[in-house]
Amino acid sequence: GAGVSQSPSNKVTEKGKDVELRCDPISGHTALYWYRQSLGQGLEFLIYFQGNSAPDKSGLPSDRFSAERTGGSVSTLTIQRTQQEDSAVYLCASSLALSGGTAYGYTFGSGTRLTVV
Amino acid sequence: GQSLEQPSEVTAVEGAIVQINCTYQTSGFYGLSWYQQHDGGAPTFLSYNALDGLEETGRFSSFLSRSDSYGYLLLQELQMKDSASYFCAVAVGSARQLTFGSGTQLTVLP
Repeated sequence: GAGVSQSPSNKVTEKGKDVELRCDPISGHTALYWYRQSLGQGLEFLIYFQGNSAPDKSGLPSDRFSAERTGGSVSTLTIQRTQQEDSAVYLCASSLALSGGTAYGYTFGSGTRLTVV
Repeated sequence: GQSLEQPSEVTAVEGAIVQINCTYQTSGFYGLSWYQQHDGGAPTFLSYNALDGLEETGRFSSFLSRSDSYGYLLLQELQMKDSASYFCAVAVGSARQLTFGSGTQLTVLP
């Protein structure tokens, strides 16, 4: 597609429920990233996928968080047994490989605003 | 690990020039990027510096000094639409993954 698409745009869930957040990257972008942004804060890295390589999961805050990327395209971030501290905007970005270190940069989606009540 | 420092807030008037500074501590540094984010919107890429010096793109310029681990974003002829958060980010590691600062909220006053 023309841009990075994320769904849903807003999600309200009860504490203890599982949620799935979806990201559809730009076609041809081999790299995909998930970041989390709490209100008024910076972007916290969660996980990174590059082609068929094993993902870099070093930013996942707990084992309740997991993500997968199917067919090198769409990615799903799953949060199990949600807690109130999980409330944040979850941003997905895609890029050509190694684009963090180039003038190309990342293209972000508009995010999913997750509220755990 | 990596750490980046930037001011939390900056205020300026329309038509003025403003500079947003960023200092960083990191290893395996590849470059410094800047992103703009309007309230409720997606961060958008503004600029990237890999080498020392000034890069200019229209009203925006970005500077890097690798020896000082320091950079800045310069916004000229400020417009109301420039009110947004600005994030510096460093590309590190073999994957050149971006680590972001906490952001600077720029408010442009009429």
